[in-house]
Amino acid sequence: GQNIDQPTEMTATEGAIVQINCTYQTSGFNGLFWYQQHAGEAPTFLSYNVLDGLEEKGRFSSFLSRSKGYSYLLLKELQMKDSASYLCAVSGNNRLAFGKGNQVVVIP
Amino acid sequence: GAVVSQHPSRVICKSGTSVKIECRSLDFQATTMFWYRQFPKQSLMLMATSNEGSKATYEQGVEKDKFLINHASLTLSTLTVTSAHPEDSSFYICSATGVPPTSTDTQYFGPGTRLTVL
Repeated sequence: GQNIDQPTEMTATEGAIVQINCTYQTSGFNGLFWYQQHAGEAPTFLSYNVLDGLEEKGRFSSFLSRSKGYSYLLLKELQMKDSASYLCAVSGNNRLAFGKGNQVVVIP
Repeated sequence: GAVVSQHPSRVICKSGTSVKIECRSLDFQATTMFWYRQFPKQSLMLMATSNEGSKATYEQGVEKDKFLINHASLTLSTLTVTSAHPEDSSFYICSATGVPPTSTDTQYFGPGTRLTVL
């Protein structure tokens, strides 16, 4: 089975940097995804890590350590529009298992 | 690229009626489509996985006779909630994985359907 753990909520100031952590336990691993979800909307794809290390994509970076069952998403130069829930999802056994998401609230 | 649409975006129905939700991949062929349900402040919970032309695989605890899934083509899957009850009120989201060159690993999500059963 799969077990995914994420902290629930954080508040940060516009322009700041925020790190969102995700730990997981899974019997099969084919990669880890990060999605952004605004309230009442479907998730949108942010990043995909299958090998250890850091993947950088503009203001967003994602890191994976498979041996530790750990990933983080780094959001730089926070903007008001980044206020959303950030979901990590582990791919394995032909399915995606989602964490509950971390709600990020960006304040001026 | 990799756009998934859902219709309707919102539906309100009376208890006991059936509701059909469509999920379409607009610019790619979807080998596999997934149906999720999400309650407020909760995670996405996978309901079923469907492959074109074959029967859907339902997750444990999801009634296949209540949530009918049809995946008749590489671009369309439908979810029918039969004899809906207020506890079925939720946000239903579909996703799809593609045929190369579209990524076969990344799931692309539709915009979701908000179902309210009175």
